[in-house]
Amino acid sequence: DQQVKQNSPSLSVQEGRISILNCDYTNSMFDYFLWYKKYPAEGPTFLISISSIKDKNEDGRFTVFLNKSAKHLSLHIVPSQPGDSAVYFCAASSGNTPLVFGKGTRLSVIA
Amino acid sequence: EPEVTQTPSHQVTQMGQEVILRCVPISNHLYFYWYRQILGQKVEFLVSFYNNEISEKSEIFDDQFSVERPDGSNFTLKIRSTKLEDSAMYFCARGTSGNQETQYFGPGTRLLVL
Repeated sequence: DQQVKQNSPSLSVQEGRISILNCDYTNSMFDYFLWYKKYPAEGPTFLISISSIKDKNEDGRFTVFLNKSAKHLSLHIVPSQPGDSAVYFCAASSGNTPLVFGKGTRLSVIA
Repeated sequence: EPEVTQTPSHQVTQMGQEVILRCVPISNHLYFYWYRQILGQKVEFLVSFYNNEISEKSEIFDDQFSVERPDGSNFTLKIRSTKLEDSAMYFCARGTSGNQETQYFGPGTRLLVL
């Protein structure tokens, strides 16, 4: 049961352009959403989160958008930098339940 | 915010052997989690630990697994009799509040069962 889906396994973007990573979820009880970045052989690093009472949260180059009616969220990175190349995981939780992760999207930022 | 550290970074073991993976919080926290990621797959929840007790566990966390906080600081995951399919990255995470919380992950332990 894939409660959190990241349908694009990979994405390539030119340096300086916008990267848009997408995530869909099926569980309407989810009320907190997070994006993590992961390099090989390292643990997931927290990037940004959003509560279900909001539809946008911004932190520097990173912005997360939440569309509750569509059960969809996206992470925008602008401008993209080569150091952003990593696997990005979307995760969701409901109240105090554990995080449910998507399968990840590998972002490659090309110089 | 500070994360957690994990030891060892790598562990190779024979099938049927017991392994203990350790998580060392940098400061005092009440909420801890173990996750694993089998190569090429998503990160999966194993167990959560609150106030020195298991608060929730997944169906992956069967009788082969146990967690404890033996000395009040280190947080361990034990696999009693490892199987080939236990080969994975194991991540410890600590939470901030238990509700709508951000979890901060350690660097992971890569376990290889031969």
